[in-house]
Amino acid sequence: DTEVTQTPKHLVMGMTNKKSLKCEQHMGHRAMYWYKQKAKKPPELMFVYSYEKLSINESVPSRFSPECPNSSLLNLHLHALQPEDSALYLCASSQGRRTFDEQFFGPGTRLTVL
Amino acid sequence: AQTVTQSQPEMSVQEAETVTLSCTYDTSESDYYLFWYKQPPSRQMILVIRQEAYKQQNATENRFSVNFQKAAKSFSLKISDSQLGDAAMYFCAYRSAGENYGGSQGNLIFGKGTKLSVKP
Repeated sequence: DTEVTQTPKHLVMGMTNKKSLKCEQHMGHRAMYWYKQKAKKPPELMFVYSYEKLSINESVPSRFSPECPNSSLLNLHLHALQPEDSALYLCASSQGRRTFDEQFFGPGTRLTVL
Repeated sequence: AQTVTQSQPEMSVQEAETVTLSCTYDTSESDYYLFWYKQPPSRQMILVIRQEAYKQQNATENRFSVNFQKAAKSFSLKISDSQLGDAAMYFCAYRSAGENYGGSQGNLIFGKGTKLSVKP
């Protein structure tokens, strides 16, 4: 199984809502990532979990809260988002090694904030 | 800091023809990895090809090959016998082969992308 799954595929939420994005992989990968991607732009790294510990937080606003319950799951909790947070949110995973470490991407969750 | 530059925002190729996408990068490191990722419309990003900086031989994956010029810091992607399914955004990416994987130097640095259209 070389697949990273993400749910939901689409999400529309108001600025006062609380929602969560979910990501799952069963490849035994120990590094998991959240990216934000605006249309026609490259992905921007948000968070990295390495061995279930948050290793990188790229100065992301606190309205985004990541969680890694176990080595296969990654969540992104959303609260009080702004319309400019509308984007495609990509999850990725990799083995977490120093050597070549291919990142496998999920299909993404397209988020719209009204 | 490392940077990746893709100077062609859009490219077009006739089906069955060959196209080359350009990528240059800037780094002071000697050991790193380079990647080309493909992102079709509304589909997930997949790795097309990779190159280890310490390898002089250019990587090849079926119809995809790279021209890696380390001294010039250039990493172009050649797609031969283009197919309709090759239409996508292509991102060039750099990753340091750094000491501390958990640090930021282990993460992918993407170029801005090149949108490739394939004409039937």
